[in-house]
Amino acid sequence: QSALTQPRSVSGSPGQSVTISCTGTSIDVGGYNFVSWYQQHPGTAPKVIIYDVNKRPSGVPDRFSGSKSGNTASLTISGLQADDEADYHCCSYAGTFRNWVFGGGTKLTVL
Amino acid sequence: EAQLVESGGGLVQPGGSLRLSCAASGFTFSSYEMKWVRQAPGEGLEWIAYIGTDGTIYYAPSLMGRLTISRDNAKNSVYLQMNSLRAEDTAVYYCVRKSGLYSFHMDVWGKGTTVTVSS
Repeated sequence: QSALTQPRSVSGSPGQSVTISCTGTSIDVGGYNFVSWYQQHPGTAPKVIIYDVNKRPSGVPDRFSGSKSGNTASLTISGLQADDEADYHCCSYAGTFRNWVFGGGTKLTVL
Repeated sequence: EAQLVESGGGLVQPGGSLRLSCAASGFTFSSYEMKWVRQAPGEGLEWIAYIGTDGTIYYAPSLMGRLTISRDNAKNSVYLQMNSLRAEDTAVYYCVRKSGLYSFHMDVWGKGTTVTVSS
C-alpha cells in the first residue's frame, strides 16, 4: 500500500484536459512544497515532468501543470495527445525519517 | 549527457543476497546525492535508499537492516547490497540522481535492473 493515494486510472479524449490527484497527509504533501510528478511509458524509466509542486523541467511542454491544496497535489494535462498515454507517479518529500514517499501510480488512457 | 547504468540484477533464491551497481557518467558524480528506487511488477514506485555527498545514509523504514548503500566517487559508482531477499523484493531497481542539494526531486534515472527472488 502506497503512502500517497492516486486514482488507479483516468482517461480523456485528444484535446481534452485531465487532472490526476495525489493525496497525502500533513507530514508529506501538506508539509512540504516538494511534490514531484513522473511520467512513465511502458517498459521505460520514469521521467520527471513537474517538481516543487508546479515547476517544469526544461523541455516539458506547458500543457503539464501542477498545483497543491492542503494535503492534495494535482497534475493537470491539457490538450491531451496520444503520447501522453502513460503511467503518472506523484512523489513527496516526507522528512528525515520517511524521506520520500510515492503514490501508487495512475494509468492515463487517451481514448 | 548525464547517464546512469545499473547492473547486477538477476534470479536469486529466497534468503539470498545480491549486490547492485550503478555507473554514472556525464556529470560530476561526487557532487550529487544518489538514491535507489524500486518498482514491483504492476506496482508503483518505492524509494528504498539514499546516500548523500557526505556519506549520509537513509533507508526506507520497512527495509532497514537488509540493505546497505555505498558509493565510490573514484569509480563514479553507487552500490546497493541486499540481504535476506524475499519474494516481495522482486522488482526493477532504478538508480536515481537527486537533482541538487536544495531540491528534492529525481532528475536522472537509469534504465533499471531486474531482481527476481524465486526458488
